[in-house]
Amino acid sequence: GAGVSQSPRYKVAKRGQDVALRCDPISGHVSLFWYQQALGQGPEFLTYFQNEAQLDKSGLPSDRFFAERPEGSVSTLKIQRTQQEDSAVYLCASSLVFWGYGNQPQHFGDGTRLSIL
Amino acid sequence: QQPVQSPQAVILREGEDAVINCSSSKALYSVHWYRQKHGEAPVFLMILLKGGEQKGHDKISASFNEKKQQSSLYLTASQLSYSGTYFCGTESDSGNTPLVFGKGTRLSVIA
Repeated sequence: GAGVSQSPRYKVAKRGQDVALRCDPISGHVSLFWYQQALGQGPEFLTYFQNEAQLDKSGLPSDRFFAERPEGSVSTLKIQRTQQEDSAVYLCASSLVFWGYGNQPQHFGDGTRLSIL
Repeated sequence: QQPVQSPQAVILREGEDAVINCSSSKALYSVHWYRQKHGEAPVFLMILLKGGEQKGHDKISASFNEKKQQSSLYLTASQLSYSGTYFCGTESDSGNTPLVFGKGTRLSVIA
C-alpha cells in the first residue's frame, strides 16, 4: 500500500497478557517512530529506528515495552504483562531519510487502539 | 517540555479565518504541524525550521518566530474539511531530539 499500515486496528487484552502491535512503514522509508496517544492528548514519543538500528528508546515507559525492526522494514511493538494504564492508541510513523528528527515529515498510520481490561 | 497550544478549541463557520498558536519555553529548531481527524492518522501539513520562516499552501500557512519560540498556523476561508484536531510538534534547538507534541487544538467548521 501507499501509506503506513498498522495491525491490528483494535486490540483488547486482559491485564497481565502480552500484546504485539505491527507496523508496516512506507516502502523505502529509513526512519520509523512509535508513539503513544492517550485520549485527548498529542502523540508521545516512544522509540525511533533508523533502518534496523534502534537509536532512541528514551520514551519507552518501562522495561515491559520492547520494540524491534529486525530487517529494517516491518516493526513490532511488544508490551509484556499489560496494565490498565497501557490503554491508548499506539501510532507508528515513518519518514524517508534521517536528517535529524525535525527536518522530515513523518507519515503516520491509523494506529492500534489498545484496551486493557 | 511540551509546547502549549492555544486556543484549546474553536468553532468556525465556513469561510471564517482562524489562528492556532504553539509556544515553547525552550529554544526550538523546528516546528511541525499535523491535522488529525477522529480515529484517523495525523496528517502532515508543514515543517518550519529555525530561521523565522513562513510557509503556506492553499489557504493554510504558518509562521515561526524563533525569538519568541512560537509558531502560528493560519487557516483562511475555512472549509468543512478543515475540521479536526491540530497538533504542533517541536524539536528543541539542542538537536536530534524527538518531537514533542502539544495537546492539540480542536477545530470545528460548521456550515
